[in-house]
Amino acid sequence: QKEVEQNSGPLSVPEGAIASLNCTYSDRGSQSFFWYRQYSGKSPELIMSIYSNGDKEDGRFTAQLNKASQYVSLLIRDSQPSDSATYLCAVNLIIQGAQKLVFGQGTRLTINP
Amino acid sequence: EAGVVQSPRYKIIEKKQPVAFWCNPISGHNTLYWYLQNLGQGPELLIRYENEEAVDDSQLPKDRFSAERLKGVDSTLKIQPAELGDSAVYLCAISLGLKGIRETQYFGPGTRLLVL
Repeated sequence: QKEVEQNSGPLSVPEGAIASLNCTYSDRGSQSFFWYRQYSGKSPELIMSIYSNGDKEDGRFTAQLNKASQYVSLLIRDSQPSDSATYLCAVNLIIQGAQKLVFGQGTRLTINP
Repeated sequence: EAGVVQSPRYKIIEKKQPVAFWCNPISGHNTLYWYLQNLGQGPELLIRYENEEAVDDSQLPKDRFSAERLKGVDSTLKIQPAELGDSAVYLCAISLGLKGIRETQYFGPGTRLLVL
């Protein structure tokens, strides 16, 4: 089992709809979780962080965390074509005593006008 | 991109040649990371520096990869000799804000390497 897993997609969503991106992780002790957006040919850009169970909203973005289920998600409301990108889930894990940020493979999202 | 300059932005070399990448944080940051990102994958940590000290280099292929961070500011990553499978994007990142579990990483623009 991979430490951080995402569906690679592509996920296609019509403009104006809600895009839902999901991520599961293997280490039950993980305490910090991040979502990065990566446009084609660009580097990852941090868009959300979440540390506690529940929802965290920032504009059109909502991150949801369920530590019991080891599941974190990102919702994008009123999706725009400019949201088309790859979304990377990242989890802070303790591996062999060292703290590491481990990334999933990313979900490619396409918003259709 | 979070005040991190990387150079070159693109590099094409033939296999068995050496190559070097540079990372220049615009302002002082104690913690610096090098990541490798293959196409269709997330970034994978190669090495982490706290000031000049490499505190985690467990995933750095030391037979061909080396890194240094003199004076705890700029950093270089070198591959010698390069192999076809080294074609990837090499990302430098710095951390801002709180230390520990809430430490947040920000990436530079990356260097795209193609080995022919």
